[in-house]
Amino acid sequence: QQQVKQSPQSLIVQKGGISIINCAYENTAFDYFPWYQQFPGKGPALLIAIRPDVSEKKEGRFTISFNKSAKQFSLHIMDSQPGDSATYFCAASVSNFGNEKLTFGTGTRLTIIP
Amino acid sequence: ETGVTQTPRHLVMGMTNKKSLKCEQHLGHNAMYWYKQSAKKPLELMFVYNFKEQTENNSVPSRFSPECPNSSHLFLHLHTLQPEDSALYLCASSPKSGLGTYEQYFGPGTRLTVT
Repeated sequence: QQQVKQSPQSLIVQKGGISIINCAYENTAFDYFPWYQQFPGKGPALLIAIRPDVSEKKEGRFTISFNKSAKQFSLHIMDSQPGDSATYFCAASVSNFGNEKLTFGTGTRLTIIP
Repeated sequence: ETGVTQTPRHLVMGMTNKKSLKCEQHLGHNAMYWYKQSAKKPLELMFVYNFKEQTENNSVPSRFSPECPNSSHLFLHLHTLQPEDSALYLCASSPKSGLGTYEQYFGPGTRLTVT
């Protein structure tokens, strides 16, 4: 049973455009929702994260939108740049005082074209 | 060296071989993790260690045997693997300081091919 569903599997966006990646979860106990960015040959790196007490979090060109009632959250990349080309993973976990288990989505391969 | 390092970066082994993957973190963290990353599948958590004690074994076959001699080092011992075990194995670490600290820092991974 996949607890975090991510779409699309791949995405091509023109430079300067907005990239949008969506995730849906099933477990209502999840209370931490990070996005990880992975470049080829590298491990995933935390990009931005949100907790369900807010509906939006913005860091630079990256924004997470969170809809608790729909059990969905999404990553928006504004003014997308070729350097943003990477694989993006959403994830979710339940607070457990430092013993968190992240449940990951399947990933979205983002390509930004000039 | 900074962050989380993993060696070797690439490994090819036969099904009857025994090999080990090594992970070292230079971040002063107390929790370490092994993940398996296969194409088009979610990252799969395999093992979690907190303060050198295993706190999670996600139903991993016994042909994978983890070892955590101290908070900075983590090993994954491999024996009699199957071709379907070919994947990228990622190590991660995180601080264990209670509610609110979740960021996991990943190493670059070991690309394992079982022939």
